[in-house]
Amino acid sequence: QVQLVQSGAEVKKPGASVKVSCKASGYTFTGYYMHWVRQAPGQGLEWMGWINPNSGGTNYAQKFQGRVTMTRDTSISTAYMELSRLRSDDTAVYYCAREMGSYSSGWYQRGWFDPWGQGTLVTVSS
Amino acid sequence: DIQMTQSPSTLSASVGDRVTITCRASQSISSWLAWYQQKPGKAPKLLIYKASSLESGVPSRFSGSGSGTEFTLTISSLQPDDFATYYCQQYNSYSPSITFGQGTRLEIK
Repeated sequence: QVQLVQSGAEVKKPGASVKVSCKASGYTFTGYYMHWVRQAPGQGLEWMGWINPNSGGTNYAQKFQGRVTMTRDTSISTAYMELSRLRSDDTAVYYCAREMGSYSSGWYQRGWFDPWGQGTLVTVSS
Repeated sequence: DIQMTQSPSTLSASVGDRVTITCRASQSISSWLAWYQQKPGKAPKLLIYKASSLESGVPSRFSGSGSGTEFTLTISSLQPDDFATYYCQQYNSYSPSITFGQGTRLEIK
């Protein structure tokens, strides 16, 4: 079955970086965009950006530009999200999610997210 | 960026009730809208895509409607398992970003 399995919880100090992995299985990894979404404690969902696993192309939310880097390793069907210069308000659960987009007549239509990874808690504390 | 506004933020209801959650987009997104259910400590789960298409395996008591800027998620007869938080999401290809509504917490009355 289609599954996204993320790396385990992390505790980091302010100013450090964190790299979260998301291993895909059950489908062709390079066939679907991968997104990252975070959720601070008790808060809603915040979109961070996407990576095209086929080309490596990325698009980041303006809020995270300059601090986030999304990469992938197609040989092991794994996507990564690295967030640098961590602050206490980066404490959140970070999710990866597969985008169900499609191509039609040379145009890429964005899609919904399914499935999601189980989430990775990143705690930033001194 | 396209803003998504959900209402209400919190909804109190009883088992068997019919409930409706509304999501409004700041500009037209055609039918490029999804609904998710999230329970505490769990990842969001897809319920509805393309505004009204029911995801496989999701009970038929869930339904979605709308297009353009106004959308609704309806649960026809609440079951105990439905008490959770619900989010809408726009995925319009003309927007450079993806946005979620702020969420609606559905609680037991």
